[in-house]
Amino acid sequence: QVQLQESGPGLVKPSETLSLTCTVSGGSISSYYWSWIRQPPGKGLEWVGHIYYSGTTSYNPSLKSRVTISIDTSKNQFSLKLSSLTAADTAIFYCARLGGWDLPLAFDIWGQGTMVTVSS
Amino acid sequence: QSALTQPASVSGSPGQSITISCTGTSTDVGSYNLVSWFQQHPDKAPKLMIYEGAKRPSGISNRFSGSKSGKTASLTISGLQAEDEADYYCCSFGSSGTWVFGGGTRLTVL
Repeated sequence: QVQLQESGPGLVKPSETLSLTCTVSGGSISSYYWSWIRQPPGKGLEWVGHIYYSGTTSYNPSLKSRVTISIDTSKNQFSLKLSSLTAADTAIFYCARLGGWDLPLAFDIWGQGTMVTVSS
Repeated sequence: QSALTQPASVSGSPGQSITISCTGTSTDVGSYNLVSWFQQHPDKAPKLMIYEGAKRPSGISNRFSGSKSGKTASLTISGLQAEDEADYYCCSFGSSGTWVFGGGTRLTVL
């Protein structure tokens, strides 16, 4: 079955850029949408953005100026870059499958999440 | 885009039914049949419980059901069990190809 695994630094300094990668195993990254979702400690879920395997992206308007999502189909990975970090960006970051040509549009498979702390 | 509106908390006794509401706008819940619901236990990733408003993924108990009327979607859990105690989030597709979550509802099984 398809599994997702996030990887990246757990601690990043303010003003720096966060880089996270999600590795998809057990299935192909092609033909589907892939997303990043974050959750500040003790708070709710926030959609960050998504990317189609072709490279088409959509971002949360509140984060759009700071977010870039990219995909590498040869490695079965997609990535998130979030710039100009502040303490408010401290959160658990999840990657998730959004669906695609033969699946409904819903976040049906999630990674375990990776905690990112923004602090000097 | 603003978060969908959910009650902060609901509670019920084992065996009872509860309903969690999720209110959006004419540009998200009211316009698309793409509302989903997630269950999240402490320190766990969210789990898809309902998609496209009322459909259940394989393996999800039929005690969970979803519906929608206008700009409000609802999740009903019947025959409450202790294991249902968790946070629940709704999510909807919105205009401009974006997605928005609700603020979350803490379900307590008394």
